[in-house]
Amino acid sequence: EAGVAQSPRYKIIEKRQSVAFWCNPISGHATLYWYQQILGQGPKLLIQFQNNGVVDDSQLPKDRFSAERLKGVDSTLKIQPAKLEDSAVYLCASSALRGVGGRVGELFFGEGSRLTVL
Amino acid sequence: KQEVTQIPAALSVPEGENLVLNCSFTDSAIYNLQWFRQDPGKGLTSLLLIQSSQREQTSGRLNASLDKSSGRSTLYIAASQPGDSATYLCAAHASGGSYIPTFGRGTSLIVHP
Repeated sequence: EAGVAQSPRYKIIEKRQSVAFWCNPISGHATLYWYQQILGQGPKLLIQFQNNGVVDDSQLPKDRFSAERLKGVDSTLKIQPAKLEDSAVYLCASSALRGVGGRVGELFFGEGSRLTVL
Repeated sequence: KQEVTQIPAALSVPEGENLVLNCSFTDSAIYNLQWFRQDPGKGLTSLLLIQSSQREQTSGRLNASLDKSSGRSTLYIAASQPGDSATYLCAAHASGGSYIPTFGRGTSLIVHP
């Protein structure tokens, strides 16, 4: 079974530029999450989708961040314009509504996209 | 709002020691609790998932327990090895309508030969 795919793995941009990250969840997973992880901290939820609807985006800085999940599969997270404090790893995770062997709601993560804003 | 705390923040031990990592959460109404491992520059790898109705889960040298009433989970690592060096994170999944997983800051573990 293929895991969560993310791209690009690394991105370096100047402040005020824009950047987009892509995520392809595990096939059949209805729920998709974008997390921001700043060095030395735990992941912070930015947005949660169920199918193609937004469940929670209360911590998404909507003046500069946007995310969409078309057709309830792939998702894109965009930052425009980027600030220095956006330097972080952006992690995508997915989970199934019904798990196998009782493992309901188990999160599976991609490798992450590391953003450096200069 | 759920808050998750992990203690200790960092741990350095010699090979062979048995270890206990702690995770506490403020809202006991959780759906499940998941432990992860994160290697430098990598994503999170799931280690153990404990459903709210369960008390513990085991995988090899790892054992995780859950006490919802006290808001605590413990990850026990037996006979630690240098390959166990990584950051260990726990996530408590709220059982409310939005089912939001909240993470702690992690415990950074170094096991030296």
